[in-house]
Amino acid sequence: ELKVEQNPLFLSMQEGKNYTIYCNYSTTSDRLYWYRQDPGKSLESLFVLLSNGAVKQEGRLMASLDTKARLSTLHITAAVHDLSATYFCAVDISGGSNYKLTFGKGTLLTVNP
Amino acid sequence: SQTIHQWPATLVQPVGSPLSLECTVEGTSNPNLYWYRQAAGRGLQLLFYSVGIGQISSEVPQNLSASRPQDRQFILSSKKLLLSDSGFYLCAWSFRDRGPYSNQPQHFGDGTRLSIL
Repeated sequence: ELKVEQNPLFLSMQEGKNYTIYCNYSTTSDRLYWYRQDPGKSLESLFVLLSNGAVKQEGRLMASLDTKARLSTLHITAAVHDLSATYFCAVDISGGSNYKLTFGKGTLLTVNP
Repeated sequence: SQTIHQWPATLVQPVGSPLSLECTVEGTSNPNLYWYRQAAGRGLQLLFYSVGIGQISSEVPQNLSASRPQDRQFILSSKKLLLSDSGFYLCAWSFRDRGPYSNQPQHFGDGTRLSIL
């Protein structure tokens, strides 16, 4: 059974600081996804990481994937209040056209002024 | 472009009553469709997915069922709701043909918040 573990589950940051969220998964996969969820809202796709060594950046967020270590990171640079949300990683282990995602439990990020 | 519609946005139902949540996708054909539930405390649980009309795979045995009567329509149902069915229900879609869309994620609807009294 695929397990996806995120840590930390809760993260309180000061504005302007840097931090990293980690996502470990237990089964070989070459696709990993990061989503953001604002309170009471749906999930918004942030990044799709397709291969070992993939790195993607959008604004203050940068995601990377190490398939050999089965590890993805979401790095936050110079955090601002607008980044406060819950961040999920998800792993896809299905092949072909029949794909399913297994999600981590999410990291609740709070950025304080 | 593609859009996903999910309704109702909120629903309050008594225990033992039936349920029907609907999801439709526009702007694409033959999508994969998914139903997730998110209980208080955030984790997402995949309930059902479908790769075609009438083709439903259940991930978790429960009090719910799903149907796909049309290519871009996905329905979540229950004959008798339980208190434990409360939660935030999310419908999602993805391209079925992964080749040219390999960099595409699953796209989520706005969700239905279901409260059972």
